[in-house]
Order: sequence, then C-alpha cells, then structure tokens
Amino acid sequence: NAGVTQTPKFQVLKTGQSMTLQCAQDMNHEYMSWYRQDPGMGLRLIHYSVGAGITDQGEVPNGYNVSRSTTEDFPLRLLSAAPSQTSVYFCASSLAGGNNYEQYFGPGTRLTVT
Amino acid sequence: EDKVVQSPLSLVVHEGDTVTLNCSYEVTNFRSLLWYKQEKKAPTFLFMLTSSGIEKKSGRLSSILDKKELFSILNITATQTGDSAVYLCAVGPRIQGAQKLVFGQGTRLTINP
Repeated sequence: NAGVTQTPKFQVLKTGQSMTLQCAQDMNHEYMSWYRQDPGMGLRLIHYSVGAGITDQGEVPNGYNVSRSTTEDFPLRLLSAAPSQTSVYFCASSLAGGNNYEQYFGPGTRLTVT
Repeated sequence: EDKVVQSPLSLVVHEGDTVTLNCSYEVTNFRSLLWYKQEKKAPTFLFMLTSSGIEKKSGRLSSILDKKELFSILNITATQTGDSAVYLCAVGPRIQGAQKLVFGQGTRLTINP
C-alpha cells in the first residue's frame, strides 16, 4: 500500500493563479480531510469528506474548494491564490465511524504564493 | 469554540532526560484525544486516549488522560536525539459520522547529545 499520497511536493504560485492539490489514498478509507499548517498554529482543518459525494467545511474553508467523486481521491482547489494561503498542506484519511480517529497523513505540499 | 492548548511550546533537554508534555482542551462532546509526532514531514500517530486514568505505553513513551480536569500528558523517558520532533495533541469531538480533529499548536522538543 502506498498509503496517502500528495502531489506536488512543492509549488510556487503568483497571486490570483488557481491550482489543484492532489490527494489519493489506497486504504479504502471513507473519511478524508485537508489541513493547513502554519508556524505556531498547529494544523487547521480546511475541508473534509465522510464519503464519495459528501463534503463539508472545516475551520478555515474560505478560498478553497473540494470535491469527492471517488473514495480514493480528494483534490483541494485554490480558486484565486493569495499570499495568506502560503502554508504546508496535509491530506489525511481514516476509517469512518466508531472510534477510528487514527488519521493517516500524506507527506504534505509546501505552497508559496508571491 | 473547541480549543486545544499545548505547553510548553518549546523544550530543550539533554539526552537521557525525562520530559513531560502537556495538553489541555475545551471541546464540546469530547470523544478522544490523540498524540502525534511530527519530524520533518507528515505527523505520525502515537496514541489515542478515550478513557480517564488508563495509561497507554509504547516503549519509552507513555500518555494518560484526565477527563475531569480536561488534560493529557505525554511522557518520554531516557530521551534520545531521535525523539527530537514536534509533538502534536489533537482532540476529536463526538460528531456523528465525522472525525474532525482540533489540533494544538504543538511542542517542539529538541534533545541535545
């Protein structure tokens, strides 16, 4: 199993550009989520999904869109990049329901917006 | 608003020392508390705690939860340079069908040889 994979590893964008961060998992996990990590602020939840076709907002959703057309993939779209979106982005997945809160994290994407 | 606070934010000790990291929380409908270790990249899972007073142990690491006082501690004994990392505490509220984790800021632990 590859686990949770993310692409790209690094990206530099200009203000106003759009792009999609890719996330895929091969563990048949129902739950997937996107976090951003900024210095001194831990991880903050952007969007999450409890299954294909179901998404919801987390703590900091503004400026980001998600969709979940398959169990495996959960892309994060930046509609019009802003310098405030410079961050490290992590995708995570886990089984849903019960006490299955152990989330498996991808390696991260470091995004810089100039 | 759900909140998780970790202390200290940074800690530098010598190899062989014992350290205690703290995590306090305010979460509606608490379900579980998790500890993660983050080195240069993705967080890796250490422990999940759901019941008060029951210690979870893995080698030199151990953790315990106090649901009455709303905190958890992570102990590392006989520290090694490989323990240097950011340690993250996260709390999972009881939300039907979802697993939204609320993270603390992290404690950056540095072990000097």
